Amino acid sequence: EDQVTQSPEALRLQEGESSSLNCSYTVSGLRGLFWYRQDPGKGPEFLFTLYSAGEEKEKERLKATLTKKESFLHITAPKPEDSATYLCAVQTLSGNTPLVFGKGTRLSVIA
Amino acid sequence: DAGVTQSPTHLIKTRGQHVTLRCSPISGHKSVSWYQQVLGQGPQFIFQYYEKEERGRGNFPDRFSARQFPNYSSELNVNALLLGDSALYLCASSFSGQGVFTDTQYFGPGTRLTVL
Repeated sequence: EDQVTQSPEALRLQEGESSSLNCSYTVSGLRGLFWYRQDPGKGPEFLFTLYSAGEEKEKERLKATLTKKESFLHITAPKPEDSATYLCAVQTLSGNTPLVFGKGTRLSVIA
Repeated sequence: DAGVTQSPTHLIKTRGQHVTLRCSPISGHKSVSWYQQVLGQGPQFIFQYYEKEERGRGNFPDRFSARQFPNYSSELNVNALLLGDSALYLCASSFSGQGVFTDTQYFGPGTRLTVL
């Protein structure tokens, strides 16, 4: 069974304090790994897609990396507006599920 | 360009009732997927439609059904509502869905369903 596990469940940072969120996955074959940001009561907002081990993508203070077993979302010098839940999802080579999501990491950045 | 739109925004129903949720995809997108998200969990896949045909179904009871129209908009129907159906229902659109699952899915704002 395809599984996605995110850690930590919640993370509280001071403004400017860099950190990383982890997404580990167990799938029969990875077609792509996605990161989304979700604000309370809203739909997920697309951030990145990663396809192969060693791939990296950046957007403002965020950088996503991928290995064969996990992905990291690095947040550099976060600001309060980065507070949100960050969701990781995978697409697999088999099966009929477009995206399998983890439970998310709830990030709070304190000024 | 407009993103994915969903209606209604919020909905309150009582147990046993029926509900219809609606979704319009991004212009040019032909695939629509539905997800259920309960509080504190990640979205869980319900259905995917492409060119009006069902392409995938998640582990949900037959009370859940959906369809896609010629203009690529979609409806999710839930019959005989249970308290446990209370959740945020998300619609996502992508350009294609026929064996090209690497298409990025873009989500709408969701419909918050409360069952009393």
